Amino acid sequence: DAKTTQPPSMDCAEGRAANLPCNHSTISGNEYVYWYRQIHSQGPQYIIHGLKNNETNEMASLIITEDRKSSTLILPHATLRDTAVYYCIVRPLTGNQFYFGTGTSLTVIP
Amino acid sequence: DAGVTQSPTHLIKTRGQQVTLRCSPKSGHDTVSWYQQALGQGPQFIFQYYEEEERQRGNFPDRFSGHQFPNYSSELNVNALLLGDSALYLCASSLQGAIYYGYTFGSGTRLTVV
Repeated sequence: DAKTTQPPSMDCAEGRAANLPCNHSTISGNEYVYWYRQIHSQGPQYIIHGLKNNETNEMASLIITEDRKSSTLILPHATLRDTAVYYCIVRPLTGNQFYFGTGTSLTVIP
Repeated sequence: DAGVTQSPTHLIKTRGQQVTLRCSPKSGHDTVSWYQQALGQGPQFIFQYYEEEERQRGNFPDRFSGHQFPNYSSELNVNALLLGDSALYLCASSLQGAIYYGYTFGSGTRLTVV
């Protein structure tokens, strides 16, 4: 029941910005966008989340379009340790579960 | 501050057997969710426990059951194991009423059914 669409894979040169897109065209007004990443079968790790405003933390920036139908996760200076599967998740504020899709496998190239 | 702890890390079982997986939530968290992740797929929600009760359940058969203890730790039980139950089982904890902050996941238990 994933409500998001992501490209299956992307490459990024080390030191460059990685821009990971996510389409969530059916998002409703009370649903948040969360991003997690999973490194080599470890547990998913929280990155960032937002509702409608752009957000930034020490790991990444989240840009949400004005119509909220898509978003982009930006890793400003990708390192080899950022190689992982990135999941974009839409979650209602009152819901309890996350619907994961198949994510984007990001490979950072030296 | 300990995060989410799961045990065991790896497990091999025979088809038809039963298995119990364990999870200790992050300190301060009171809600535990379980996810199944097949190879190459995203995690799939199994169920969530809060106040020792199952609060929500995903599309999984009754062979999957759980329990939450007064100290908030949790167990996932799977009966009559099938080969298709082979997966990484993830435990995620959160604080009820503070779900805005998302979940903290453990590193998972890798279950192989042979």
